[in-house]
Amino acid sequence: GQQLNQSPQSMFIQEGEDVSMNCTSSSIFNTWLWYKQEPGEGPVLLIALYKAGELTSNGRLTAQFGITRKDSFLNISASIPSDVGIYFCAGLGTGGTSYGKLTFGQGTILTVHP
Amino acid sequence: DAGVIQSPRHEVTEMGQEVTLRCKPISGHNSLFWYRQTMMRGLELLIYFNNNVPIDDSGMPEDRFSAKMPNASFSTLKIQPSEPRDSAVYFCASSLVGSYNEQFFGPGTRLTVL
Repeated sequence: GQQLNQSPQSMFIQEGEDVSMNCTSSSIFNTWLWYKQEPGEGPVLLIALYKAGELTSNGRLTAQFGITRKDSFLNISASIPSDVGIYFCAGLGTGGTSYGKLTFGQGTILTVHP
Repeated sequence: DAGVIQSPRHEVTEMGQEVTLRCKPISGHNSLFWYRQTMMRGLELLIYFNNNVPIDDSGMPEDRFSAKMPNASFSTLKIQPSEPRDSAVYFCASSLVGSYNEQFFGPGTRLTVL
């Protein structure tokens, strides 16, 4: 089945630093999504990417859809303590048995020290 | 506006007992998804419904798991009999049919099977 490899698994950074995480897939996706999950809550959508090569920003967050459609990255600039959480990439299946189904990466645990 | 509502938020039960998890999707949404989150396997899609009809249940782990959606505003995930390896956080998410990239997740039910 489809698999997403997300790295790094965890990051410990100082407030104000920039953060970068990425996701690679063994399969092509036509939509890449980035979610954030905070303790005791469900994932919340941060950014959606729909076209290969697309670069999209949402405040201090920037994400790109890789040209090969098999990878994506997420950058967070000037991190703040409330950025703490688990960040997930997800690919949305569009055909065959994967239609409508989200495949999630393993997550990146982000800790920000004040 | 109310988001996806799940109950209970926490459930502790003994092996062999029946467990029923409940979900109320966002009003107007007609796709509903059940996910399971564990440390070992991450976030996995179990089953999803469109217009109350199960579309894909290939992620349901065993016959002990069953899901129903009797109407547009209610769904259940039942485990009978429960086993310790079923311990996980179970999330429900909803979206509009076709807008699977815009799934809104509930807060989850943390299930512990002793």
